[in-house]
Amino acid sequence: GENVEQHPSTLSVQEGDSAVIKCTYSDSASNYFPWYKQELGKRPQLIIDIRSNVGEKKDQRIAVTLNKTAKHFSLHITETQPEDSAVYFCAAVRYSSASKIIFGSGTRLSIRP
Amino acid sequence: GAGVSQTPSNKVTEKGKYVELRCDPISGHTALYWYRQSLGQGPEFLIYFQGTGAADDSGLPNDRFFAVRPEGSVSTLKIQRTERGDSAVYLCASIPQATNEKLFFGSGTQLSVL
Repeated sequence: GENVEQHPSTLSVQEGDSAVIKCTYSDSASNYFPWYKQELGKRPQLIIDIRSNVGEKKDQRIAVTLNKTAKHFSLHITETQPEDSAVYFCAAVRYSSASKIIFGSGTRLSIRP
Repeated sequence: GAGVSQTPSNKVTEKGKYVELRCDPISGHTALYWYRQSLGQGPEFLIYFQGTGAADDSGLPNDRFFAVRPEGSVSTLKIQRTERGDSAVYLCASIPQATNEKLFFGSGTQLSVL
C-alpha cells in the first residue's frame, strides 16, 4: 500500500510478557502483509507474513492478525525473550504485481530482564 | 551467490563527491529494490527494477540520485554531488520472481558524507 502507519514507535515489555505492534494501511488492494525483524547492525529479515485470504497466522511464539475491513494488521509476540529485542517493520503490498514496497516506520522492541 | 551482496560495506566521502554503491542480488532474482535507512527509521523506498528497467523510481529524492541495472543482475546506485544529508545506510533487496513475497536484503552500505 502507498501509506503504512506503524505504532508504537518504541515498546518495552518485561521478559515473558506479550508484545503487540500494530499497522494500518491505506491501499485497499493490498493483499500481502509481511513483518521484518532487524537486529542492531544487521539486515532486515522476514519473520512472518500473511495473505489477505486468512485472518490469522501463527508460527511458534509469533502471530499476525489481519482485519481487512478496518485495514489494519498486528504482530503478536508471546513469552518474549531477550533475543526478541530488535526493530520490527511491517509492510502492506499487492502480492501479484511487483511494485514498490513501502515499510512502516518501525517499532523498537526492548525486552526487560 | 548465497545472498544479496552489497559493496562497499562502508563508504566515507567528502561533501560534493560522487559515489557508486553496488548491489549483487541472488542469482535469478528478477526484481531488485533500493532503500535508504537513517538511524532509527524504517527503510525508505528509493527505486525498484524489474529486469533491466526501472519500474518505479518515485522514491529517488532528487536528480543527484540515479540507479542502473544494465544486464538485469547487478545494480549500481549513483549519487552525485553528495551532501551530508545523504549519510545513511543504503539497503538493497531482491525477490525471486515477479511478486512481492519475501524480500531478501543485503547487509547494506553505510555511507558517511563529511
